[in-house]
Amino acid sequence: QQQVKQSPQSLIVQKGGISIINCAYENTAFDYFPWYQQFPGKGPALLIAIRPDVSEKKEGRFTISFNKSAKQFSLHIMDSQPGDSATYFCAAAFYNQGGKLIFGQGTELSVKP
Amino acid sequence: GAVVSQHPSRVICKSGTSVKIECRSLDFQATTMFWYRQFPKQSLMLMATSNEGSKATYEQGVEKDKFLINHASLTLSTLTVTSAHPEDSSFYICSAQTSGPYNEQFFGPGTRLTVL
Repeated sequence: QQQVKQSPQSLIVQKGGISIINCAYENTAFDYFPWYQQFPGKGPALLIAIRPDVSEKKEGRFTISFNKSAKQFSLHIMDSQPGDSATYFCAAAFYNQGGKLIFGQGTELSVKP
Repeated sequence: GAVVSQHPSRVICKSGTSVKIECRSLDFQATTMFWYRQFPKQSLMLMATSNEGSKATYEQGVEKDKFLINHASLTLSTLTVTSAHPEDSSFYICSAQTSGPYNEQFFGPGTRLTVL
């Protein structure tokens, strides 16, 4: 019940296209959903996050769509660039229980020029 | 803001030695820090939660006597891998949690440990 399932495992997108990564969770008590970007040999960097009281959040080319009833959330990267090539992790947390993150399995994104 | 550093960035040691990894929050105070382990092409695995001034809370299956965690100040947590063996070779990443409405976690750059 604490799992976060992420798909796809890998994704190839042409430059300028839209990259879409999906995550699903089971525990409705989760109340914080961040996305992290990780480059090889580096630590993850917080990209964007959402709380369950909103259905969408946009920051630049990155958008989180959140569907509370379906217990799913997704990351959309608009106008994908080769520099976006990285591994993306979704996560979920219980804000009031110390903020421990439950990570998805990760998606390796490759944006072709 | 919200910068977390780790030192060293990579370390190679002989089997049986102990290695200490430092995690510092540079521009904020972190009551809580987390230690993760990551194998190639895999997700982050939480090892323990470190709270300033108290004992760390270890995840199931993580040997607390092997992975010693100390969180002596609001900006520094250390992970010591005792009597390291080749199977301990991995990428160790810490994160520091801000206080506030979202308790965001910011990650360090990671430490690559190779045990020969």
